[in-house]
Amino acid sequence: EAQVTQNPRYLITVTGKKLTVTCSQNMNHEYMSWYRQDPGLGLRQIYYSMNVEVTDKGDVPEGYKVSRKEKRNFPLILESPSPNQTSLYFCASTRDRTNSPLHFGNGTRLTVT
Amino acid sequence: GENVEQHPSTLSVQEGDSAVIKCTYSDSASNYFPWYKQELGKGPQLIIDIRSNVGEKKDQRIAVTLNKTAKHFSLHITETQPEDSAVYFCAASFRPGGGADGLTFGKGTHLIIQP
Repeated sequence: EAQVTQNPRYLITVTGKKLTVTCSQNMNHEYMSWYRQDPGLGLRQIYYSMNVEVTDKGDVPEGYKVSRKEKRNFPLILESPSPNQTSLYFCASTRDRTNSPLHFGNGTRLTVT
Repeated sequence: GENVEQHPSTLSVQEGDSAVIKCTYSDSASNYFPWYKQELGKGPQLIIDIRSNVGEKKDQRIAVTLNKTAKHFSLHITETQPEDSAVYFCAASFRPGGGADGLTFGKGTHLIIQP
């Protein structure tokens, strides 16, 4: 089944403790992206990747890192999480950067205390 | 960059009635306008999209209209059913070809279908 898989689904952590949210897609998509969803703010792009070893900042990249060493994986790294990074995170992928549909994972709800 | 405004934030309609969600965009170069539906506990899923060279597109009970002059586009759902209850997001892309890296989302509309 074609899908985008995020792990974990839920994560509670403390300020400053490094964490990684994994994202994997099995559709051989070139383009992958991370979004955060906050009440009243909608979906905001954090980082995106056009292809392996190519990443770029989205609208809200501060406090986040990403890597794209393999085509299928695009982990989101929070080196020193803070409470304002408490949010619902979505990974998405699409065939390429033209207007093909984005396929989203089911989300990771992160709480930073 | 692009700015997308979406209204209303919450919409409650009786089952069987129609629902309309409206979005405006700021960048006249925007050329691709998708709509995503997010059900509880899931990620958004594309339900319909329209390109700037088309004024209207329909798929069964859902339709999207685009007014390039006024820079607004709308989602129309007819004969609403309980399974239409969800959060809907509009989006606009100003990249050539409508690239996903240039996609800006609206803040979302929570559609509630009353039985």
